[in-house]
Amino acid sequence: NAGVMQNPRHLVRRRGQEARLRCSPMKGHSHVYWYRQLPEEGLKFMVYLQKENIIDESGMPKERFSAEFPKEGPSILRIQQVVRGDSAAYFCASSPSGDSEQYFGPGTRLTVT
Amino acid sequence: AQSVSQHNHHVILSEAASLELGCNYSYGGTVNLFWYVQYPGQHLQLLLKYFSGDPLVKGIKGFEAEFIKSKFSFNLRKPSVQWSDTAEYFCAVKGTYKYIFGTGTRLKVLA
Repeated sequence: NAGVMQNPRHLVRRRGQEARLRCSPMKGHSHVYWYRQLPEEGLKFMVYLQKENIIDESGMPKERFSAEFPKEGPSILRIQQVVRGDSAAYFCASSPSGDSEQYFGPGTRLTVT
Repeated sequence: AQSVSQHNHHVILSEAASLELGCNYSYGGTVNLFWYVQYPGQHLQLLLKYFSGDPLVKGIKGFEAEFIKSKFSFNLRKPSVQWSDTAEYFCAVKGTYKYIFGTGTRLKVLA
């Protein structure tokens, strides 16, 4: 059973461009979570999604950030008009239910130049 | 408010020294507690976890942690560290569904 997959592993964007980060949960998992790790900080919760639904986006910046988890395909974290402060590692986790252990992917390291 | 505190941000030890990393949490409900390790350039790996039962939890690579409910603590220990333990260590508490992470402890083990 493959683990949580994230791609790309590294992404470089210029200021003002869009970044799309993808996350494929483990087989059988319908709950996806996104976390952000800024330099010198721990991971911070961004958003929790189930298939086609956003359950909690309390950790998402109000502007430029959006997330989706469609019926088919991976979950997408989208950052529009990136700024230098968006440079971070973005981790996705998945679980079979909302109250079970989460399994983390390898992360996507976003660098904004 | 829910939070996790890791008191030591940077720790430097010589090989064979004993390790204890502190973790205190603030959470009102039933807690699930975790320690993760992140080796340089790599992703998070689960070291150990506590859900219930024996408060002394043994994990991989010789690590263990003790849950002390009265102190809201879940400290990580290893009797004898190796150079390969050089990494960043994160304590986390799982709330209703989201994980709350501490800021991490960078451990450097000198050969």
